[in-house]
Amino acid sequence: QVQLQQSGPGLVKPSQTLSLTCAISGDSVSSNSVTWNWIRQSPSGGLEWLGRTYYRSKWYNEYALSVKSRITINPDTSKNQFSLHLNSVTPGDTAVYYCARNNNWSFDSWGQGILVTVSS
Amino acid sequence: QSALTQPPSVSGSPGQSVTISCTGTSSDIGTYNRVSWYQQSPGTAPKLIIYEVTHRPSGVPDRFSGSKSGNTASLTISGLQAEDEADYYCSSYSSSGSYLFATGTKVTVL
Repeated sequence: QVQLQQSGPGLVKPSQTLSLTCAISGDSVSSNSVTWNWIRQSPSGGLEWLGRTYYRSKWYNEYALSVKSRITINPDTSKNQFSLHLNSVTPGDTAVYYCARNNNWSFDSWGQGILVTVSS
Repeated sequence: QSALTQPPSVSGSPGQSVTISCTGTSSDIGTYNRVSWYQQSPGTAPKLIIYEVTHRPSGVPDRFSGSKSGNTASLTISGLQAEDEADYYCSSYSSSGSYLFATGTKVTVL
C-alpha cells in the first residue's frame, strides 16, 4: 500500500518561495512505471495539475504552462521523496497542495494535503 | 488549456441512478482513453474511483461505472446511497502532456 506524507509550511509571504515535500512509502520515487505529481485545489474547489517528475532511464520533469516559469519539482532518491518549489508566489497561489502518484494515467494515491496561505 | 466541464450539481433519491457528464475537446477526452474520476468528501483528499474511462480500482463498488462518447465522458452511480454524497471530479490526459481537471459536481442524496 502506497502512502504519501506531505510536509511544509502553511504560510508563505508574497514574492517568496513555496516549498513542500512528499515522502513516499510502499513505492520508489525511481519507479519506471509511475510518475510523481503535484496538484493543488483552490479555495473555490477547482483542481489544477502543476507538474510531475519521473524516471525512465533518466529523470524527466514536466510542468503546467500556467506555472512553468515559477515551478521546480525535484526527486530525492536518498530519502525516497520529491519536492515542490513555487517561487514568486501571490495570494492567487493560496490553495490546498497535494502530492499524488500517477499510475495507469490516473492519480491512485494522494497525500493528505497541506493548506498553503500566501499572505503578509 | 481550459478545464473540463461538469454540471455544478446533481441530485437523486436513494436507489436511483445519477449520471455526471464531463465535456472536453478532441485534444483530450476525444483522443485519449485516459479519463479518470475522483470522489472527494469534505476535508479529505480525492479518491480514485474510475480509471481509463471504464475501470474500477479494487474496493470501489460496482455501482460506479464510467463511459465515453466523443469528447464527453460520463460517470454513473446506480443505486444511489447516502454515503455517495460528495464532490466528483473528472480528469483527462491532454495532447499537451498535461492533465486537465473539471470544476467538479456536487452529488446530493435527497
